[in-house]
Amino acid sequence: GAGVSQSPSNKVTEKGKDVELRCDPISGHTALYWYRQRLGQGLEFLIYFQGNSAPDKSGLPSDRFSAERTGESVSTLTIQRTQQEDSAVYLCASSPGGLIRVAQYFGPGTRLTVL
Amino acid sequence: AQSVAQPEDQVNVAEGNPLTVKCTYSVSGNPYLFWYVQYPNRGLQFLLKYITGDNLVKGSYGFEAEFNKSQTSFHLKKPSALVSDSALYFCAVGGTDKLIFGTGTRLQVFP
Repeated sequence: GAGVSQSPSNKVTEKGKDVELRCDPISGHTALYWYRQRLGQGLEFLIYFQGNSAPDKSGLPSDRFSAERTGESVSTLTIQRTQQEDSAVYLCASSPGGLIRVAQYFGPGTRLTVL
Repeated sequence: AQSVAQPEDQVNVAEGNPLTVKCTYSVSGNPYLFWYVQYPNRGLQFLLKYITGDNLVKGSYGFEAEFNKSQTSFHLKKPSALVSDSALYFCAVGGTDKLIFGTGTRLQVFP
């Protein structure tokens, strides 16, 4: 596609349920990033993929969070046993390479609300 | 450790006036600096970046930013603000393998 897409755009879930968020990067982009944006706050780095491997998982808040990427394309971010503090917009970005000097292209985000 | 600061939560400016959104950074080594804009209910859009070379960087929508090494700043500027520039602006610095974002500055341009 023309840009990074994410699904669903909105997700409302009950505390304790698991959720899966999906990111489709720009075709050919080898690097993929997940960020979290809480209401009124900046972006919080979660995880970074280069190809299908994740060299940097340092931003994942807890072991309830995991992510995978297959075929150097689609990535899913899974949150198990959701908590209310997980409510945020989850943003995905991709870039042509893993060099940090290359601009990242962001998707519209998934707004997650945990009741 | 790399870090970036945006000291202003909000900047208000009248349409037609020049605008400045401030950003300071802390890095070891050469900085890679970025500005992104987030319009309501939309994802972040890349505006401009500084990697090396000319200290004045020109980007999208008439924005520019000036890299100042001695002041460790990378302020975003536009000579004449538009109401449509009203949005949330993020400064970011490139870390070893990820971007570190500031907390954002909300720009409000009044007609």
